[in-house]
Amino acid sequence: DAGITQSPRHKVTETGTPVTLRCHQTENHRYMYWYRQDPGHGLRLIHYSYGVKDTDKGEVSDGYSVSRSKTEDFLLTLESATSSQTSVYFCAMRDRVTDTQYFGPGTRLTVL
Amino acid sequence: LAKTTQPISMDSYEGQEVNITCSHNNIATNDYITWYQQFPSQGPRFIIQGYKTKVTNEVASLFIPADRKSSTLSLPRVSLSDTAVYYCLNNNAGNMLTFGGGTRLMVKP
Repeated sequence: DAGITQSPRHKVTETGTPVTLRCHQTENHRYMYWYRQDPGHGLRLIHYSYGVKDTDKGEVSDGYSVSRSKTEDFLLTLESATSSQTSVYFCAMRDRVTDTQYFGPGTRLTVL
Repeated sequence: LAKTTQPISMDSYEGQEVNITCSHNNIATNDYITWYQQFPSQGPRFIIQGYKTKVTNEVASLFIPADRKSSTLSLPRVSLSDTAVYYCLNNNAGNMLTFGGGTRLMVKP
């Protein structure tokens, strides 16, 4: 969906380094989500946000933190990346009127 | 968490109708049921949404029985390009939206 973008699209990093992924939306939606997707696990919710500075944990939040200082940006940070965090990360925005999520293109993260 | 249950995989042939069923055992009164489609290397994409009975759009139909404990996504006359993973979802937990494992549909020529 053109209204939501992710950066970077690909990243390779080393174990122990901090990593920040950015999700940017232009639709002014309150709700935003970070998921990770691994083979055999489908989509798993990491963290979500229901407004500026309002965030909460999802199913697999250990090792991740998020921040939402403005409506359009939702940042996901890996404080000290581990190889188990190698994954594809998707962010999504949610239209609460239609209760529909729109996903970004994904970020492929490799932790060596 | 509002986990749904659906078959892991299904095979079909071009031109056939495909029905994928999902169980929504702990759906709440005000939840909608939504289905998404995901192609490799892309994010999931909204297909269809409903609350009860039947909904149809240009892509699919969605059947929801009166008790709303299940839903069936119907894809008419599938083609090779319908090969994808299909997810069903209901927002039982309010703000949190959790996906199940999805159904991997393989359409063969």
